[in-house]
Amino acid sequence: NAGVMQNPRHLVRRRGQEARLRCSPMKGHSHVYWYRQLPEEGLKFMVYLQKENIIDESGMPKERFSAEFPKEGPSILRIQQVVRGDSAAYFCASSPPGQPTDTQYFGPGTRLTVL
Amino acid sequence: LAKTTQPISMDSYEGQEVNITCSHNNIATNDYITWYQQFPSQGPRFIIQGYKTKVTNEVASLFIPADRKSSTLSLPRVSLSDTAVYYCLVGASGSARQLTFGSGTQLTVLP
Repeated sequence: NAGVMQNPRHLVRRRGQEARLRCSPMKGHSHVYWYRQLPEEGLKFMVYLQKENIIDESGMPKERFSAEFPKEGPSILRIQQVVRGDSAAYFCASSPPGQPTDTQYFGPGTRLTVL
Repeated sequence: LAKTTQPISMDSYEGQEVNITCSHNNIATNDYITWYQQFPSQGPRFIIQGYKTKVTNEVASLFIPADRKSSTLSLPRVSLSDTAVYYCLVGASGSARQLTFGSGTQLTVLP
């Protein structure tokens, strides 16, 4: 059973461009979470999704950021018009249905660099 | 969500037992205590979870006193590969919620 997959692992964008980060959860997992980690800091929750539904987006910036988890395919975190402050590691995690959501399984992350 | 306090860093030597303590004075009745490990350039990895007393698995032990206001992660006979950041999280298990990570404890194992 493959773990949580994220791609790309590294992404470089210029200011004003769009960044698309993809996350494929573990097989059988229907809960997906996105976190952001700035250098030397802990992870900060952004959004929690189930298939075709956003459950909690309380950690998501109000502008330029969006997330989806379609019925088919990976979850996508989209950042429009990126700025230098968006440079960070973005981690996706997944958990199975019916299990304590504390046990989240994390992917390797996407490191976004905005020039 | 209960706030947690951990030491910023700890050093140890190979083969020693390492104990990392986390304070969570305002832990709620239905809160569990969970520890994650994160290596550089990787996502966090679940280590252990407990509610009270002692929990042990193949990786670590978790000691929780009766008042549950603190917990101690114990790593037996650490090796260089245990060098990582260790996060203590407190929250209600079984409910759909976000994980709240603090700054964690940077453990450095020396040869």
